Amino acid sequence: NAGVTQTPKFQVLKTGQSMTLQCAQDMNHEYMSWYRQDPGMGLRLIHYSVGAGITDQGEVPNGYNVSRSTTEDFPLRLLSAAPSQTSVYFCASSKDLWNTEAFFGQGTRLTVV
Amino acid sequence: EDKVVQSPLSLVVHEGDTVTLNCSYEVTNFRSLLWYKQEKKAPTFLFMLTSSGIEKKSGRLSSILDKKELFSILNITATQTGDSAIYLCAARMDGGSQGNLIFGKGTKLSVKP
Repeated sequence: NAGVTQTPKFQVLKTGQSMTLQCAQDMNHEYMSWYRQDPGMGLRLIHYSVGAGITDQGEVPNGYNVSRSTTEDFPLRLLSAAPSQTSVYFCASSKDLWNTEAFFGQGTRLTVV
Repeated sequence: EDKVVQSPLSLVVHEGDTVTLNCSYEVTNFRSLLWYKQEKKAPTFLFMLTSSGIEKKSGRLSSILDKKELFSILNITATQTGDSAIYLCAARMDGGSQGNLIFGKGTKLSVKP
């Protein structure tokens, strides 16, 4: 029972490089989201999706891109990495938008130098 | 602006103490209040509260919601060192620019032996 799987667990990028953080869930959840967690800031929403083909911006979307071509996968792309994007990134999914819990992946620790 | 505020931001107690963590929220179209525990990695789900005054309990942890006063508390009795973690509170709402799950900044609990 895999749940939400994120890869990679750790990544170091140089400023200006691009990369994709992968997120996959096997629970047939419609709602998926990406958060970043910085010290003292809690979890802040980057982008979210309410179903395949539908995405929307969250609180801190600048510098990130997402797509949702399948129910299972929700990759997060960093277009041109900046040191301000150094953070821990979590992908989450839930069955619906209402009264169900969100399940989290194990996180990706990203450092941009 | 929709927001969730947790207090205190950090807390240090000794084993055996009882602690109360606070979470207040101001969100439109409120649906439910969720509590998570975060140790080294991903947040893990503790409770979801949708109705006022009904206590949810799991072992030494319990939580209650007050929808009139817009807050929730998480109680931990007879604390153990394994309770050391960041406790996150999140309000689930219908729609909004922040997706539909807004997190507080968390309370960092340290339990000393």
